[in-house]
Amino acid sequence: EVQLLESGGGLGQPGGSLRLSCAASGFAFINFAMTWVRQAPGKGLEWVSTVSRGGDTTYYADSVKGRFTISRDDSKNTLYLQMDSLRVDDTALYYCAKPRYCSSTNCYWSFDYWGQGTLVTVSS
Amino acid sequence: EIVLTQSPATLSLSPGERATLSCRASQSVSSYLAWYQQKPGQAPRLLIYDASNRATGIPARFSGIGSGTDFTLTISSLEPEDFAVYYCQQRTNWPLTFGGGTKVDIK
Repeated sequence: EVQLLESGGGLGQPGGSLRLSCAASGFAFINFAMTWVRQAPGKGLEWVSTVSRGGDTTYYADSVKGRFTISRDDSKNTLYLQMDSLRVDDTALYYCAKPRYCSSTNCYWSFDYWGQGTLVTVSS
Repeated sequence: EIVLTQSPATLSLSPGERATLSCRASQSVSSYLAWYQQKPGQAPRLLIYDASNRATGIPARFSGIGSGTDFTLTISSLEPEDFAVYYCQQRTNWPLTFGGGTKVDIK
């Protein structure tokens, strides 16, 4: 059974940092690119960042570029999101998500498994 | 950035009725569009991928159609558990983008 378990959320100060983790199990993590998606309270879904298989290619939304860093540790089957220079509008539930299919050269970026999310609140 | 516009924002229907949800893209996404269902307090659930393919375990009452810029999700006969928010998402270009959602609520 595929499971994605996020952790690391909590209260962060504006300008501060948090590090999110997503522990994956039940599938060959090393073979899949992975993604973070967030949802502000009462709002819709917003793609945040994606890391490729192997971790050598990363993609970021303009809203987080230069402040957030996505990474992965395949030996631990874990995805990370380092969040620096936090802003009040980063307040959201952060989900990690697995794409439906990845080959050695491409992924199909629709997401068939999601974690339950970890809540990040940025406030002074 | 490809903008996805969903309509209507809210759809008020009764169980057993047919629901028709629309997603329009600001430029062509070919057939690379997915639909998700989200219930309160839950993560999104993939319903349809690549415009018309039902994901694993999704009931046949859910169907999708479309290509280019105009897409439709149809729920043929609403069950009580179908009242939720529905999002579309394109995977053609970075950044990946989602529509603003359509809430299907009980009339």
